[in-house]
Amino acid sequence: NAGVTQTPKFRVLKTGQSMTLLCAQDMNHEYMYWYRQDPGMGLRLIHYSVGEGTTAKGEVPDGYNVSRLKKQNFLLGLESAAPSQTSVYFCASSYSDLASYEQYFGPGTRLTVT
Amino acid sequence: QQPVQSPQAVILREGEDAVINCSSSKALYSVHWYRQKHGEAPIFLMILLKGGEQKGHDKISASFNEKKQQSSLYLTASQLSYSGTYFCGTEKRRSQGNLIFGKGTKLSVKP
Repeated sequence: NAGVTQTPKFRVLKTGQSMTLLCAQDMNHEYMYWYRQDPGMGLRLIHYSVGEGTTAKGEVPDGYNVSRLKKQNFLLGLESAAPSQTSVYFCASSYSDLASYEQYFGPGTRLTVT
Repeated sequence: QQPVQSPQAVILREGEDAVINCSSSKALYSVHWYRQKHGEAPIFLMILLKGGEQKGHDKISASFNEKKQQSSLYLTASQLSYSGTYFCGTEKRRSQGNLIFGKGTKLSVKP
């Protein structure tokens, strides 16, 4: 099993450009999450999904959109990138069972917006 | 709403013990602990649910004091491999894993 994979690993954007980050998991997890991590800030939840076709806002959703058309994939979109969105983005997934809320994280995408 | 972790950083010698605390001003339903090594993804350690349950994992254990809204992570006889940043994530109520993470505690274990 590959676990959670993220594409791309690195990306540099110019202000105003758009891009989509792809997250894929092969563990048949119901829940998927997108986080951003900035130095000294910990992990902050952007959006999450509890199943195919459903999404919800997290702690810092502004400037991002998401879609979950297939159970195994969770896409994060930046419509008009801003320097404040320079960060490391992590995707995670988990089962819905309360006793198994362990989140499995992908390797991360380092995004720089100039 | 963000839980407060203390200390922010700690340096240990191999074999020493450490305690990392995670405190919230709000009532908590659960506390989740993760470790992240530099340049890597966070790795799950354990979940503690409301009820003061204590858990253990090899020489790493944790407790959850519901009355104080505080969780403590105990690292016993630390090894070099314990180095990394430890994060606690909290839920005020049962949610779909919608966690609020603390800023982390950086642990460095020296030989």
